[in-house]
Amino acid sequence: GAVVSQHPSWVICKSGTSVKIECRSLDFQATTMFWYRQFPKQSLMLMATSNEGSKATYEQGVEKDKFLINHASLTLSTLTVTSAHPEDSSFYICSAPLQGSKTQYFGPGTRLLVL
Amino acid sequence: DAKTTQPPSMDCAEGRAANLPCNHSTISGNEYVYWYRQIHSQGPQYIIHGLKNNETNEMASLIITEDRKSSTLILPHATLRDTAVYYCIVRAGIVNYGGSQGNLIFGKGTKLSVKP
Repeated sequence: GAVVSQHPSWVICKSGTSVKIECRSLDFQATTMFWYRQFPKQSLMLMATSNEGSKATYEQGVEKDKFLINHASLTLSTLTVTSAHPEDSSFYICSAPLQGSKTQYFGPGTRLLVL
Repeated sequence: DAKTTQPPSMDCAEGRAANLPCNHSTISGNEYVYWYRQIHSQGPQYIIHGLKNNETNEMASLIITEDRKSSTLILPHATLRDTAVYYCIVRAGIVNYGGSQGNLIFGKGTKLSVKP
């Protein structure tokens, strides 16, 4: 199947700093990518949809100025958590749909811990 | 999107078949049934999907009832590595993913524990 990677796989940062997470589709192009967040013992919640060449669309309750998304190319989307706080600690997962297959492929996730 | 209902947890003996049920009584005609699983601390992994007919691949089989209101994912010979949360998701099979139309909505899934 198609491969989606994320970097870093885990990050620890101090409160108030910004953290950038990369999501790459390794063997296919993705004009759209999705960013999810998962808190412990909970299911994945969609945060935003990243669109190549245009602005991201955010789900209700997700602050666009705090979670900056840049879809710089057909294989790369980045999520920047600005001024991170402990409550932003979570498991962040991206996915990319493989056009023509009706299937989405997920990255391995990035675990963020804000101290 | 149609809502799905899954049991919160199931146990299965190693080497036996694991049958995971999913109810989706409000499914509409253009919606597919997708199955994903999430092993602890990893991203979800695609397993299989289907519209009307039963499907089989190297990982599993998907049995969809004739009225499409429920389905069963079958892992024919479960191993310890199949321990995971299994998500049944109903979604229109959109080819061109524009905007947020293509995203998957995850419920709570079924936590499958395969025991030796």
